[in-house]
Amino acid sequence: EAGVAQSPRYKIIEKRQSVAFWCNPISGHATLYWYQQILGQGPKLLIQFQNNGVVDDSQLPKDRFSAERLKGVDSTLKIQPAKLEDSAVYLCASSLSLRQGSTEAFFGQGTRLTVV
Amino acid sequence: DQQVKQNSPSLSVQEGRISILNCDYTNSMFDYFLWYKKYPAEGPTFLISISSIKDKNEDGRFTVFLNKSAKHLSLHIVPSQPGDSAVYFCAASPNFGNEKLTFGTGTRLTIIP
Repeated sequence: EAGVAQSPRYKIIEKRQSVAFWCNPISGHATLYWYQQILGQGPKLLIQFQNNGVVDDSQLPKDRFSAERLKGVDSTLKIQPAKLEDSAVYLCASSLSLRQGSTEAFFGQGTRLTVV
Repeated sequence: DQQVKQNSPSLSVQEGRISILNCDYTNSMFDYFLWYKKYPAEGPTFLISISSIKDKNEDGRFTVFLNKSAKHLSLHIVPSQPGDSAVYFCAASPNFGNEKLTFGTGTRLTIIP
């Protein structure tokens, strides 16, 4: 079974530039998550989708971050404009439907973003 | 406000001995707890979980203990093996599953051969 795919693996941008990350979840997983992990901290949930609808985006900085999940499969997370404090690893995860009783989330390898 | 705390950033244990990783939480609404393991350059992988209706859950060499009154859980690994060297994250959720997981800061476990 293929895992959660993320690209790119690494990205370096200057502050005030924009950047986008892509995630392809495990086939059949209705729930998709984006997490931000700053160095030395645990992952922090940014947004959670159920199919193509947003379940929770309470911790997403909506003035600069946006995410979408078209057709309930792939997802993109965008930052515009980026700030130095956005430097982190961005993790995508997926799990089976909430309605079916969630199982554990499977994480991708992450995208390491460095803002200079 | 750190609702899930792992106060030991690192831990070294001799191979074959028991590794004990600790986690404390402050939010009494948390009802489901998980441990994730993370190798360098990889995403976290699920290890074991426990619901608040239990005080112990065992899976092979891994056992998680939950003390609700103390808001404390621990992960025991017996016997420890070199492949267990990784960063371990404790996570908590207000209900069963992965909804709105809150992670701790992690403990780096090193198993000494």
